Amino acid sequence: DQQVKQNSPSLSVQEGRISILNCDYTNSMFDYFLWYKKYPAEGPTFLISISSIKDKNEDGRFTVFLNKSAKHLSLHIVPSQPGDSAVYFCAASRNDYKLSFGAGTTVTVRA
Amino acid sequence: EPEVTQTPSHQVTQMGQEVILRCVPISNHLYFYWYRQILGQKVEFLVSFYNNEISEKSEIFDDQFSVERPDGSNFTLKIRSTKLEDSAMYFCASSRIRGVGYTFGSGTRLTVV
Repeated sequence: DQQVKQNSPSLSVQEGRISILNCDYTNSMFDYFLWYKKYPAEGPTFLISISSIKDKNEDGRFTVFLNKSAKHLSLHIVPSQPGDSAVYFCAASRNDYKLSFGAGTTVTVRA
Repeated sequence: EPEVTQTPSHQVTQMGQEVILRCVPISNHLYFYWYRQILGQKVEFLVSFYNNEISEKSEIFDDQFSVERPDGSNFTLKIRSTKLEDSAMYFCASSRIRGVGYTFGSGTRLTVV
């Protein structure tokens, strides 16, 4: 399933700076997009989502941007904190039962 | 905060054996899911379950897999005859609304030897 792609396997950012994670998708039928965060030995934890009728959604330090024409979304974390070090997954759905996940980006926040 | 509970956290089984992975979804959720992640690969959808029946399944979910909600609180995934390639992290999830607002469990690491 190559419908959702996260092309950067890793990202290193200094504490206090902005983390920008990118995600591309190929299926134009996707209408709901989510970001999950995962620590080792835990399940994915929901972070933030966006519907295809919007282009931006903000929740505290997390903002998701959606560019439907480019089939691209991004997650901005500002300011980045050490506790943000984790694997971040982009996921998409067609308002059906299942999520299609990207491969994940490992974020490391340096002190 | 309500959570999805999965047991066991780690299961080792011999190839060809049956294994049952257990999950307790959040109590007021109506939709239940199993996903898996093979080491180094993406999280993949296996099956969704609603109103006591499978609502959607992937091509991975072949005849050796089955799901059940035996008692109104547990949700189980059974693999009848395990293969080496079934080794993976299996995540249960539940949601109140179809396809959104998933809560995932911590996963069961299945190792087939």
